[in-house]
Amino acid sequence: EVQLVESGGGLVQPGGSLRLSCEASGFTLSSYWMHWVRQAPGKGLVWVSRINHDGSTWYADSVKGRFTISRDNAKNTVYLQMNSLEAEDTAVYFCARGHSTSSQNWFDPWGQGTLVTVSS
Amino acid sequence: DIQMTQSPSSVSASVGDRVTITCRASQGVSTWLAWYQQKPGKAPKFLIQGASGLQSGVPSRFSGSGSGTDFTLTISSLHPEDSATYYCQQANSLPLTFGGGTKVDIK
Repeated sequence: EVQLVESGGGLVQPGGSLRLSCEASGFTLSSYWMHWVRQAPGKGLVWVSRINHDGSTWYADSVKGRFTISRDNAKNTVYLQMNSLEAEDTAVYFCARGHSTSSQNWFDPWGQGTLVTVSS
Repeated sequence: DIQMTQSPSSVSASVGDRVTITCRASQGVSTWLAWYQQKPGKAPKFLIQGASGLQSGVPSRFSGSGSGTDFTLTISSLHPEDSATYYCQQANSLPLTFGGGTKVDIK
């Protein structure tokens, strides 16, 4: 069964850092692009970042320079390092896999999400 | 950035009704358009890719159409379990963007 499990969320003060993890199982992580998508409380979905199978990365403007996506294929895990956190970063963070090797910008499947709360 | 605009933002319909949700892109995305269903407290579920390609296991009462800038998601006969928020998403160019969502309630 293809599965993604996020961890690492929690309460952090403004200006602080947090590292999210997304552990993958049931598929070969190295073959897929991986994404992070977030959802602020009561709001819609917002794409945050993508890492290709070759390690190249892309970011939404709102997080560029503060967030870093990375992957460890040997550990079947994708990470999101979040620095200089702001209240506006408060959200549930979902990791998602590119749907297939030929259509990697659709999100399927998704993890269950991990809540990040930035507050003093 | 490509802006995705969904309408309506919410709809209330009865079981058995036909429900149509529209999604408009601020510039052409060809058929690089997906639809997702999200229920409260859950992760989104991938329904449709390429504007009209129904994913395996998704009931056939769901269908998608459109290309370029205008797209629709149709539920031909609403079931109680279809109560959810639906999002469109363009995959034509980065940043990948979603519509604001359409909440479907059962009367």
